[in-house]
Amino acid sequence: DSGVTQTPKHLITATGQRVTLRCSPRSGDLSVYWYQQSLDQGLQFLIQYYNGEERAKGNILERFSAQQFPDLHSELNLSSLELGDSALYFCASSVGPHPNSPLHFGNGTRLTVT
Amino acid sequence: GQQVMQIPQYQHVQEGEDFTTYCNSSTTLSNIQWYKQRPGGHPVFLIQLVKSGEVKKQKRLTFQFGEAKKNSSLHITATQTTDVGTYFCAGPETSYDKVIFGPGTSLSVIP
Repeated sequence: DSGVTQTPKHLITATGQRVTLRCSPRSGDLSVYWYQQSLDQGLQFLIQYYNGEERAKGNILERFSAQQFPDLHSELNLSSLELGDSALYFCASSVGPHPNSPLHFGNGTRLTVT
Repeated sequence: GQQVMQIPQYQHVQEGEDFTTYCNSSTTLSNIQWYKQRPGGHPVFLIQLVKSGEVKKQKRLTFQFGEAKKNSSLHITATQTTDVGTYFCAGPETSYDKVIFGPGTSLSVIP
């Protein structure tokens, strides 16, 4: 158990809809990272937050947004969903703002867009 | 932008054979991290290398960081069925706080 909690585990929705994925980092970790993993694909970095502030941004679509709240949990919002957004979305956390410490991954949210 | 490549993409070995995966970055890395993802699971941190030329061992696993800090390798001696999974290398850009993952090497072990 990594200590990172992601909900929900599975999500099935239709094209054009909007969903919110939630992540609670490991106790003591201030950084939260979001990654997208499509079928047979690697881990695509979306965005990182540290202590409530956006820290780094990857190839995150404009239809996607995220935030980290004062209690350090994070939410990833996906809107105007397309079939191609179907993927496994992982949240990971680490202690500091810089990528010099290991990432601890949650179990992921599997999103299916129909 | 930074690109991280891994070869091979897939590797099938007989149980007991050795296995090596190679990781190459287009830019110098401040450190390299290795993760393992079992089928249906999430990535799990294995190790981090920081120094140029560093070598670390974990039982049957040997990790190396290149002298130029742009490449790394993971070698598994005498593979076991428990080694099955995808091995990812990951490295942060030196100037930006992004941990970029390679595409991974998927290892299958035939009993």
